[in-house]
Amino acid sequence: AQSVTQPDIHITVSEGASLELRCNYSYGATPYLFWYVQSPGQGLQLLLKYFSGDTLVQGIKGFEAEFKRSQSSFNLRKPSVHWSDAAEYFCAVVTSGTYKYIFGTGTRLKVLA
Amino acid sequence: EAGVTQFPSHSVIEKGQTVTLRCDPISGHDNLYWYRRVMGKEIKFLLHFVKESKQDESGMPNNRFLAERTGGTYSTLKVQPAELEDSGVYFCASSLLTGGPYNEQFFGPGTRLTVL
Repeated sequence: AQSVTQPDIHITVSEGASLELRCNYSYGATPYLFWYVQSPGQGLQLLLKYFSGDTLVQGIKGFEAEFKRSQSSFNLRKPSVHWSDAAEYFCAVVTSGTYKYIFGTGTRLKVLA
Repeated sequence: EAGVTQFPSHSVIEKGQTVTLRCDPISGHDNLYWYRRVMGKEIKFLLHFVKESKQDESGMPNNRFLAERTGGTYSTLKVQPAELEDSGVYFCASSLLTGGPYNEQFFGPGTRLTVL
């Protein structure tokens, strides 16, 4: 069965530091890959997505993610974190023939001033 | 343009009672989804509507859950009777029909259901 793993439940970084959130998926073919962010009291907001083409994807709010087929990974990065980035981040996949997202357990990011 | 809205934002009920959650998708979005997040776990898919038809209900936990989408607009999710394990946050999402699964799903803020 398809699955998504986000190994880090909590991450704390200092403002201005770089960030990498890990995501690994289990699926035979290349899935559709997404990163969403949820700020307190808000719905999930799409940061970026990947299906094919350039394996480095640019998203909103200065985020980017790199698809690595050999590692079945789609890690999210940001070169310099802002205090407003404190939120919970979700990696998700959609597999061929369905519309349903399979989510990881989420990574909660705390940003220190 | 209004986003996906959900009502109520919170609901606290006792075991055995009935609760109905409502979702209003973005206007023009024919795809509507329900997801649930139990505390500490991942967000899990419940079902998918295309207009008023259930396209995929493989994630519905049991027959205590009933989802409807009247006229292909808003949707309701009824839990009857509620059990303790039904507690969690219920998310609704919607997306355009054209473009297929690659389309962004737009999520509402969720309804936090607590069953005592």
